Amino acid sequence: DAGVIQSPRHEVTEMGQEVTLRCKPISGHDYLFWYRQTMMRGLELLIYFNNNVPIDDSGMPEDRFSAKMPNASFSTLKIQPSEPRDSAVYFCASSPTTGTVGPGELFFGEGSRLTVL
Amino acid sequence: DAKTTQPNSMESNEEEPVHLPCNHSTISGTDYIHWYRQLPSQGPEYVIHGLTSNVNNRMASLAIAEDRKSSTLILHRATLRDAAVYYCIQTGNNRLAFGKGNQVVVIP
Repeated sequence: DAGVIQSPRHEVTEMGQEVTLRCKPISGHDYLFWYRQTMMRGLELLIYFNNNVPIDDSGMPEDRFSAKMPNASFSTLKIQPSEPRDSAVYFCASSPTTGTVGPGELFFGEGSRLTVL
Repeated sequence: DAKTTQPNSMESNEEEPVHLPCNHSTISGTDYIHWYRQLPSQGPEYVIHGLTSNVNNRMASLAIAEDRKSSTLILHRATLRDAAVYYCIQTGNNRLAFGKGNQVVVIP
């Protein structure tokens, strides 16, 4: 398996522009997570899906952020309009369902580094 | 999100064992302890997780205290590739909340 695939790997944009980050989870995984990492705040959970349904979006910073999962093999994280403080590395991760409480092993993508000027 | 406490950083000599402590004094009966690590410029990588009993896998061992308020991740023989930020996470649901982690430096 190719693992979790994220695109783009790097994006530089100007304040006010729309940004769309994409993620292809590992086939067969039921959970998909979006994280954001900055030096100041570390690794933050933004939202996660189970079977394409958003379960917890309490980490989404504000209305400018939205995430969708139209099918089991694709998810997007959109920022509109973008601001300089959104500059960060955005990670997508997927996980299979397990028979125990909590997620199984999370497999992370290589991340999308966003710079908003 | 439940908080765990780890040292900010640690040093270890190459080819020696490394013991990474984690305190999780608020842990409840159904909370698992998960460990991940993040190498420079990469996404986090799963290391190990456990509930009550000690756990071993090819990467590491996890020793969980009898009262479950603390645990120790053990790397049996540190290599330069083990230099990373190690995250200890306590969770009883699907939210894995990563803290700042423990920056492990391996000295050749």
